[in-house]
Amino acid sequence: EAGVTQFPSHSVIEKGQTVTLRCDPISGHDNLYWYRRVMGKEIKFLLHFVKESKQDESGMPNNRFLAERTGGTYSTLKVQPAELEDSGVYFCASSQDIGGKLFFGSGTQLSVL
Amino acid sequence: GESVGLHLPTLSVQEGDNSIINCAYSNSASDYFIWYKQESGKGPQFIIDIRSNMDKRQGQRVTVLLNKTVKHLSLQIAATQPGDSAVYFCAENIDGGNKLVFGAGTILRVKS
Repeated sequence: EAGVTQFPSHSVIEKGQTVTLRCDPISGHDNLYWYRRVMGKEIKFLLHFVKESKQDESGMPNNRFLAERTGGTYSTLKVQPAELEDSGVYFCASSQDIGGKLFFGSGTQLSVL
Repeated sequence: GESVGLHLPTLSVQEGDNSIINCAYSNSASDYFIWYKQESGKGPQFIIDIRSNMDKRQGQRVTVLLNKTVKHLSLQIAATQPGDSAVYFCAENIDGGNKLVFGAGTILRVKS
């Protein structure tokens, strides 16, 4: 069974540009989460989808970040325009049930120059 | 806000020895705790979890201890192997869902 996959694995962009990250959760997992780790700090929650609906987006830092999960399958996280402080590793995770075991992808390393 | 924190950022152990990684948490209402292992280039991988109605849980070579009195969590790895070298994170589930609060991480280095 394929795990959670993320694309790209690395992205280097200039300040002001737009970047879109993609996550494919484990097939059948209704719950999809975005987390990120910036500047070597703690991994922090961004948001949680249940199918195509945003269950909790309390961790989204500002309106430059837009997450979508059209159709309830894969999800995208767009940063527009990117700022220097957005650099970090963005993780996606999925679970079958709310409160169930989380499976993480390998992350996207985002560098904003 | 409340968060989970780690006492030691780096731990070096000799191969074959036991490792103990510690974690302090501050949210006394949390009822579920998880340890994750992150190897280079990979995402966090689930190791073991424990609910607040338990004080100890054992897995294969790993044991998690929970002390609710002092809000302390530890991960014990028996007979540490080079493949155990990684960053270890404790995480706290604060709302019964999957909104986890992670600690900063501890680097475990295993010397052969």
